Amino acid sequence: NAGVTQTPKFQVLKTGQSMTLQCAQDMNHEYMSWYRQDPGMGLRLIHYSVGAGITDQGEVPNGYNVSRSTTEDFPLRLLSAAPSQTSVYFCASSYSIGGNTEAFFGQGTRLTVV
Amino acid sequence: SQQGEEDPQALSIQEGENATMNCSYKTSINNLQWYRQNSGRGLVHLILIRSNEREKHSGRLRVTLDTSKKSSSLLITASRAADTASYFCATVYDYKLSFGAGTTVTVRA
Repeated sequence: NAGVTQTPKFQVLKTGQSMTLQCAQDMNHEYMSWYRQDPGMGLRLIHYSVGAGITDQGEVPNGYNVSRSTTEDFPLRLLSAAPSQTSVYFCASSYSIGGNTEAFFGQGTRLTVV
Repeated sequence: SQQGEEDPQALSIQEGENATMNCSYKTSINNLQWYRQNSGRGLVHLILIRSNEREKHSGRLRVTLDTSKKSSSLLITASRAADTASYFCATVYDYKLSFGAGTTVTVRA
């Protein structure tokens, strides 16, 4: 059971480039989300999804797009990378969001935009 | 703005001592959760306390919840070097799982 898998683990982008961070879970979880973690800021919610075909914005959505075509996958797209998007990105999933269930996290993607 | 805020931001204790950290939140909740993050790794779930519970134990962890004060505390008893990590509280509101900025705990041998 792999849990939540994020790829790549590290990435360096040039300003203006686009890329997709991949997230996949094999636990048949309905709820998936993306966070960014910056020093001293904790985790900030970028986008989330309560099921296939349903996504919504979190606290810091600007510059990012998501889609949820399957239950398993929840990719995060950076449209035009900026240095302010240098961060560690975490994907998480849970069985549901309304119930009393825990979230499982991937190991993170460390992104540097130069 | 973030839903939860932890206090203190950092804590340094001797091995064997207890570590206590607090979390305050802003809105009504279904439950409050605590997570641990080792340096450079993903978060790991520690314990969940429901809104109708006041105290919960799991091994060396003790969590309390006071919904009237919108606050929670996490106590780690008999700390070990392996407990060195950052600890985050998290709450669910409006389909969003929101985290505080965390407490960094250092356990000295």
